[in-house]
Amino acid sequence: SQQGEEDPQALSIQEGENATMNCSYKTSINNLQWYRQNSGRGLVHLILIRSNEREKHSGRLRVTLDTSKKSSSLLITASRAADTASYFCATDAKETSGSRLTFGEGTQLTVNP
Amino acid sequence: ETGVTQTPRHLVMGMTNKKSLKCEQHLGHNAMYWYKQSAKKPLELMFVYSLEERVENNSVPSRFSPECPNSSHLFLHLHTLQPEDSALYLCASSQSPGQAGSNQPQHFGDGTRLSIL
Repeated sequence: SQQGEEDPQALSIQEGENATMNCSYKTSINNLQWYRQNSGRGLVHLILIRSNEREKHSGRLRVTLDTSKKSSSLLITASRAADTASYFCATDAKETSGSRLTFGEGTQLTVNP
Repeated sequence: ETGVTQTPRHLVMGMTNKKSLKCEQHLGHNAMYWYKQSAKKPLELMFVYSLEERVENNSVPSRFSPECPNSSHLFLHLHTLQPEDSALYLCASSQSPGQAGSNQPQHFGDGTRLSIL
């Protein structure tokens, strides 16, 4: 099955609430990356966490990585309507040579004003 | 301003037509990618070029033909496509993996929405 599976598939919250999305993967990784995609647009890189890191912050974003459980989470705090988008995790697998990331199916986040 | 520009943004073509998608990056990257994004499916990697050499061809049908004339430009030539090829085609660029083999963040264009009649 897919390397990089997000959970939940869809999430709807009110503005000001926190949103948590999870990603599970199957193989050893060099790093894990999170991306956002607004409707009709390309993906935008949000944050990269290396396999030897456990937590990383960027503004209202907090990413955790648990390599023993092969999982990562993305937390968006104090959400805004503008955060409405699809969020994807992408894994850089150690076993894969060359330039490739493997993307999950994404979580559709809706933030209601 | 994404630094990666794709044209056209929308394309409608018949199954017997020949067309090309264009991608241009202004970020000084040396790797470029084509992805296919279909509804309710993960992003599918089609082709990877690193230092202008094709390093990955992910079992893509021959009706899709990539071309990378230099590190800033990438094309996807299309001919005799099928209805199931209707999708959003995304181009991305990045720095090639470093010595440690770690893949760097990718920068995406806004895609070409392709519809096959």
